[in-house]
Amino acid sequence: KAGVTQTPRYLIKTRGQQVTLSCSPISGHRSVSWYQQTPGQGLQFLFEYFSETQRNKGNFPGRFSGRQFSNSRSEMNVSTLELGDSALYLCASSLALEPSYEQYFGPGTRLTVT
Amino acid sequence: AQSVAQPEDQVNVAEGNPLTVKCTYSVSGNPYLFWYVQYPNRGLQFLLKYITGDNLVKGSYGFEAEFNKSQTSFHLKKPSALVSDSALYFCAVRDMENFNKFYFGSGTKLNVKP
Repeated sequence: KAGVTQTPRYLIKTRGQQVTLSCSPISGHRSVSWYQQTPGQGLQFLFEYFSETQRNKGNFPGRFSGRQFSNSRSEMNVSTLELGDSALYLCASSLALEPSYEQYFGPGTRLTVT
Repeated sequence: AQSVAQPEDQVNVAEGNPLTVKCTYSVSGNPYLFWYVQYPNRGLQFLLKYITGDNLVKGSYGFEAEFNKSQTSFHLKKPSALVSDSALYFCAVRDMENFNKFYFGSGTKLNVKP
């Protein structure tokens, strides 16, 4: 079974631009979560989607948004990029929302904002 | 609120020696605990989880973890370390009071020296 895929793997953007990241979960997984990973802040939860609905949201500004499609694929958008948005963005999928289910992570998208 | 702490930023161990990576948690209710490993420029890989039952949980690559309710700990262990185990290890807990959101520890860098 194919794992979680994320595209693109690397991105370089300039301040003020916007960016869209894509995530395809493991086949059959309906829950998709997004995380931001930086050396200073570690792994921070952005949001989680299940059945095209945002179920949970972390403490990020409204510039960060996401959505999930009917095939469970998800996109994350960051508008008006800032230097501090440079990070590894990780997507994770899970079979369902039950707490006993682990999440499976993609390789991440490395975003550099200059 | 739920939280998880990894008190050591780095653990150094010689190849062939046993290793322990520490994790303590704070939850209300029954804890759902997880360990993940991250290799450079990769996403996180699931190692093992504790949901209920046996306090000693066995996972991938020869790792195991011991759940200790009285000490609120979930330490990751391996009887004999390999150089290839060198990576970043994350402990995580599900927050059942907050839509099952994952909280990750700050990570522990494991260095296994030949």
